[in-house]
Amino acid sequence: DQQVKQNSPSLSVQEGRISILNCDYTNSMFDYFLWYKKYPAEGPTFLISISSIKDKNEDGRFTVFLNKSAKHLSLHIVPSQPGDSAVYFCAASALYNSGNTPLVFGKGTRLSVIA
Amino acid sequence: NAGVTQTPKFQVLKTGQSMTLQCAQDMNHEYMSWYRQDPGMGLRLIHYSVGAGITDQGEVPNGYNVSRSTTEDFPLRLLSAAPSQTSVYFCASSYSTDINNEQFFGPGTRLTVL
Repeated sequence: DQQVKQNSPSLSVQEGRISILNCDYTNSMFDYFLWYKKYPAEGPTFLISISSIKDKNEDGRFTVFLNKSAKHLSLHIVPSQPGDSAVYFCAASALYNSGNTPLVFGKGTRLSVIA
Repeated sequence: NAGVTQTPKFQVLKTGQSMTLQCAQDMNHEYMSWYRQDPGMGLRLIHYSVGAGITDQGEVPNGYNVSRSTTEDFPLRLLSAAPSQTSVYFCASSYSTDINNEQFFGPGTRLTVL
């Protein structure tokens, strides 16, 4: 059973417009969410994160929104640039007494930004 | 710092062969993990370690062994390779299991099992 779902395998956006990548989760114990970016032939790199005590976190052109009641988060990229073309993974973790659980990843969304 | 290094970058095996994928980090990170990435499947956790001498299973551990004798190294062993193990393998590390510590990934090993 997939706990972190990215239902859009791909997304194509024009340069300068907004890119919105979506992620849904089923485990209500998740309390920390991350986005990773991956270029071909490279390992994923951390992009931005959000704790469940917040509903928004912003870092430059990247903003992550969290809707806990809907178990949904989204990554907004404004304005989109050709260099943003990559696969984006949503990941989640839960905090227990022994520490955070290992990250659970979604299947990824391939973003193509067209010049 | 070299960060997280993985060797080899590419490997082709025949069914039944064994091999070890190497992973090393020079950041004195306690937490290390192995993931596999398959088309349409995202990243799935194979094994992880919270420190030297401590390992645990992830989501897809069957067919793989790990050990953690030093803080720096976390090798992944395929005991008897199967075509289903054809994948890209990523090693990752972070300072601790605290989620606020960024997890760094290696460049990956692309494995093909014939």
